[in-house]
Amino acid sequence: EVQLVESGGGLVQPGGSLKLSCAASGFTFSVSAMHWVRQASGKGLEWVGRIRSKANSYATAYAASVKGRFTISRDDSKNTAYLQMNSLKTEDTAVYYCTRHASRDGYQGGMDVWGQGTTVTVSS
Amino acid sequence: DIVMTQSPDSLAVSLGERATINCKSSQSVLYSSNNKNYLAWYQQKPGQPPKLLIYWASTRESGVPDRFSGSGSGTDFTLTISSLQAEDVAVYYCQQYYTTPFTFGPGTKVDIK
Repeated sequence: EVQLVESGGGLVQPGGSLKLSCAASGFTFSVSAMHWVRQASGKGLEWVGRIRSKANSYATAYAASVKGRFTISRDDSKNTAYLQMNSLKTEDTAVYYCTRHASRDGYQGGMDVWGQGTTVTVSS
Repeated sequence: DIVMTQSPDSLAVSLGERATINCKSSQSVLYSSNNKNYLAWYQQKPGQPPKLLIYWASTRESGVPDRFSGSGSGTDFTLTISSLQAEDVAVYYCQQYYTTPFTFGPGTKVDIK
């Protein structure tokens, strides 16, 4: 079964750090671009960032709202992607989803596999 | 950044009737090298992660009922539910993946009238 499982969420004070993990199974993780998407309570989806595969030099990209504070990485030997979050702000409070960018006929499709999400609460 | 807008914000449709959601991007998401629009549609039900419905603006994801269809090109796109079912009550998002940041539209809530 193709699956993504996020972990590492919790309560953190403003200015603090947290590292989320996304464990993948059921597909060839190493060739997949992986993204993080967040959703504040009652709000819409916000793309956070992505990391491409080794073949694409593990290139990363970030939303302006998190650039310089968040870092995405991956360990293909563990089939796991990570989101390191530093200098957290109250507005970073959200459910964080890990998702796979699909490849269809050699071209990018949409994001076809999603985890259930992990909740991050930034509060004093 | 490419800004995605959706209309309407919400709509209520009778069971069996058609629901139409519009999405507009602030610049074209048509990839000229392969003539594909890098536009996806997602369905999100309460307490669940989003589910991919449509990619390349009009290609239905495997397992998605054929009452869902996508159309459009360039900057203007439409998601149509041809005959609304009770299980289609959800929020629907469009997303461009033409260039980072891969922005989402604000969402359209679909309910039963």
